[in-house]
Amino acid sequence: GAVVSQHPSRVICKSGTSVKIECRSLDFQATTMFWYRQFPKQSLMLMATSNEGSKATYEQGVEKDKFLINHASLTLSTLTVTSAHPEDSSFYICSAWAQETQYFGPGTRLLVL
Amino acid sequence: RKEVEQDPGPFNVPEGATVAFNCTYSNSASQSFFWYRQDCRKEPKLLMSVYSSGNEDGRFTAQLNRASQYISLLIRDSKLSDSATYLCVVNYDYKLSFGAGTTVTVRA
Repeated sequence: GAVVSQHPSRVICKSGTSVKIECRSLDFQATTMFWYRQFPKQSLMLMATSNEGSKATYEQGVEKDKFLINHASLTLSTLTVTSAHPEDSSFYICSAWAQETQYFGPGTRLLVL
Repeated sequence: RKEVEQDPGPFNVPEGATVAFNCTYSNSASQSFFWYRQDCRKEPKLLMSVYSSGNEDGRFTAQLNRASQYISLLIRDSKLSDSATYLCVVNYDYKLSFGAGTTVTVRA
């Protein structure tokens, strides 16, 4: 299957700082990537759809100014959590479609102190 | 109402047992359906797609009933390595909706 990587795998930061998470499609090109968030014992929730060369589409209730998405190339999308607060602590996962299947990155575990 | 609802379990079964669980979805226009497996603190990984005719992949059998908007997964001859959370996933227009997952624990 297709491979999606994410970096970093985990990050601990102080409240008020910004954190950038990278998502890469390693063996295919992805004009669209997806960003999810998963809180403990809950399902994955789609935050936004990242579109190469254009603005991201955010789901209802997700602040676009807080979660900045950039999809500058066909293999890279970045999510920046700006001015992170403890309630932003979560498991962030990106994904992309390849061969009619959605493949997920390994996730980034964010802890905001 | 949640878009995808699953029995959360947990299902605790002995090795070799058969375990089955299901989910329901609310969007009748959903286009494709999947079961993903998620291990603790890891990303979801595709277990199998689900087709209207029903399909089997080794010890795993999936069924889809579009009329009832119901999807099922059956695991035969359970192995210890089958212990995981199984996510029912529904696609509409290339956006996936996830159930909260069914936890299965297989004991020796």
